Amino acid sequence: ILNVEQSPQSLHVQEGDSTNFTCSFPSSNFYALHWYRWETAKSPEALFVMTLNGDEKKKGRISATLNTKEGYSYLYIKGSQPEDSATYLCASAMDSSYKLIFGSGTRLLVRP
Amino acid sequence: DVKVTQSSRYLVKRTGEKVFLECVQDMDHENMFWYRQDPGLGLRLIYFSYDVKMKEKGDIPEGYSVSREKKERFSLILESASTNQTSMYLCASTPSMGIKGYTFGSGTRLTVV
Repeated sequence: ILNVEQSPQSLHVQEGDSTNFTCSFPSSNFYALHWYRWETAKSPEALFVMTLNGDEKKKGRISATLNTKEGYSYLYIKGSQPEDSATYLCASAMDSSYKLIFGSGTRLLVRP
Repeated sequence: DVKVTQSSRYLVKRTGEKVFLECVQDMDHENMFWYRQDPGLGLRLIYFSYDVKMKEKGDIPEGYSVSREKKERFSLILESASTNQTSMYLCASTPSMGIKGYTFGSGTRLTVV
C-alpha cells in the first residue's frame, strides 16, 4: 500500500488567522489529487480535484496547489472562520481506476 | 437533496452476527466504494464496484463481502461480526466520465459488542 501523509495532524488557530496544511503522496504513477472537508456529523465534501503539475484551485477563502514532480499539495485557508473547523482529507489516485488512497487528515479548530 | 444514503447512522451488533450495511445513490454513478475510518488512520478501502455485479477487493477485504445487484445499491456484509470491525463505515460513489470527486454518504458508526 502506498502512503499518503498529511501534516500537521491537528491545528488550532484564532479566527482571522490564515493557515495551511500539507499533503505528501507518491509522485510515481500519479493520476489525481483530491481534497475533502469533513465536518463533524456530516459527510465528507469534495473541495478540489487536481491533475496537472502546477495546478492551483480556489473556492472562496480556500485554495490548493499541486506539485506532482515532488509529490506534495498545499491547502490554504485565508482568514479562518469558526465554520472552517473540520477535518481536511487529501487522497491520491494512482491510476484511472477511481480508487483513492486517503491520508489520515488534518483536524482544524478555529477559535472565535 | 441527499444523494448517497446509508441505511443506518448508528448500529450496535453482537459478535458473530451477520451484519448488512446498505448504501444507495441516486446519481446513476457506475463506481461505488466502501471505506472504514478508524482514529489516527486514513480512510481504508474495503471493496469497490465498477458496475452491477462487478466487485473488487480493496486494501482490507478480510471479514467482509459485498453485493451489487442493482446500479444504485452497494451492500457491505460482515459475515460474522467481530469487535475489531467496530468502526465508522463510509460509502461513496463517483461517475466513470471525467475525474470527479467522490460523493459520500453520512456514514454508519458500527459497534460490535
